[in-house]
Amino acid sequence: EPEVTQTPSHQVTQMGQEVILRCVPISNHLYFYWYRQILGQKVEFLVSFYNNEISEKSEIFDDQFSVERPDGSNFTLKIRSTKLEDSAMYFCASSDQGSQPQHFGDGTRLSIL
Amino acid sequence: AQSVTQLGSHVSVSEGALVLLRCNYSSSVPPYLFWYVQYPNQGLQLLLKYTTGATLVKGINGFEAEFKKSETSFHLTKPSAHMSDAAEYFCAVSETGTASKLTFGTGTRLQVTL
Repeated sequence: EPEVTQTPSHQVTQMGQEVILRCVPISNHLYFYWYRQILGQKVEFLVSFYNNEISEKSEIFDDQFSVERPDGSNFTLKIRSTKLEDSAMYFCASSDQGSQPQHFGDGTRLSIL
Repeated sequence: AQSVTQLGSHVSVSEGALVLLRCNYSSSVPPYLFWYVQYPNQGLQLLLKYTTGATLVKGINGFEAEFKKSETSFHLTKPSAHMSDAAEYFCAVSETGTASKLTFGTGTRLQVTL
């Protein structure tokens, strides 16, 4: 069964550094999402992406965050200058239609020191 | 705005007993409803979904859920718990339409004991 894959599984970064989290969505999917889960808290929506532009973003997704689909397969989340509170598990998801269930990757655990 | 409330952050059942995980939602428009399961160190796996049609939906691993509009509920059940069901379960809601974000509940950790 096709899967969403995320790399790396664990990223450790110094505060203030830039970090890029990578995702390969399921190949025929058109809608892409990023969510995050701070330890012990619920999963929160960050951003959705369709047709090479952001469809919706949450209040969390401020100017320090950006997303990109640099080629036909990858979908990336960049945090420009990381803060301690960015430490979380980041999940990528994709769906073939906007109303269909989203399929999630196993996540990237981001630790900011 | 949509929201999801999951009653009980931890639920413990004996193997073979009924599993009932509660979910109530708030939505100003007809919702799509989902249950996801998260095993340790893994991502979110879809258990089942309600979009339209039959209000009792069956999912993987013997789970099912019933959409009750009058009660704004979407409780998850399984007649007989198995040790392998131990995991975190998340209820989520989205609006109908394109690229709709998921709004998650806080999750319920299910423990299954011998």
